[in-house]
Amino acid sequence: DGGITQSPKYLFRKEGQNVTLSCEQNLNHDAMYWYRQDPGQGLRLIYYSQIVNDFQKGDIAEGYSVSREKKESFPLTVTSAQKNPTAFYLCASREVGYTEAFFGQGTRLTVV
Amino acid sequence: QKEVEQDPGPLSVPEGAIVSLNCTYSNSAFQYFMWYRQYSRKGPELLMYTYSSGNKEDGRFTAQVDKSSKYISLFIRDSQPSDSATYLCAMSAGDYKLSFGAGTTVTVRA
Repeated sequence: DGGITQSPKYLFRKEGQNVTLSCEQNLNHDAMYWYRQDPGQGLRLIYYSQIVNDFQKGDIAEGYSVSREKKESFPLTVTSAQKNPTAFYLCASREVGYTEAFFGQGTRLTVV
Repeated sequence: QKEVEQDPGPLSVPEGAIVSLNCTYSNSAFQYFMWYRQYSRKGPELLMYTYSSGNKEDGRFTAQVDKSSKYISLFIRDSQPSDSATYLCAMSAGDYKLSFGAGTTVTVRA
């Protein structure tokens, strides 16, 4: 089945630790995205990548980092510099030239 | 002012009622309009996609776009308890970025 796989589904992090969220897609899409979702605020763009080895900051990139070494993979690292990391994180992909984005099932990160 | 405004609700309707959801936007460059459905603790799934003013129908769902008023709507006919979810509108000017509304939480009572 084609789709986007995010792992883990739930993640707990101690304050001061970095943590990496995985996102893999087999849709052969060029563009991939990371969003953060908080209650009542909709989806906010963290980073996006339109091609391998290239990525750009979104609206709320501070405290996050990404890499895009392979077309199918776009991991997100939440660093200790992110002051309020507890949130629901969504990865999406999209084919260049089309506008619909397809989402993974999300990772819920909680800082303990 | 946010680029996309969407009333977060919550909206509660009896089974069989018509659900009416809407979003307004300020960016006249938006050309593509989408509606996503998101169940609790799940990722959003694409429901409808349209790029022209007017109506687009798919089963019980109708998406309506009025570019002159910068207003889009989603109607759900004969609503079912399984339609209970958060509905997100999304818009694009054709570039990399998708702008989302905050989402409207809908509950359909059996």
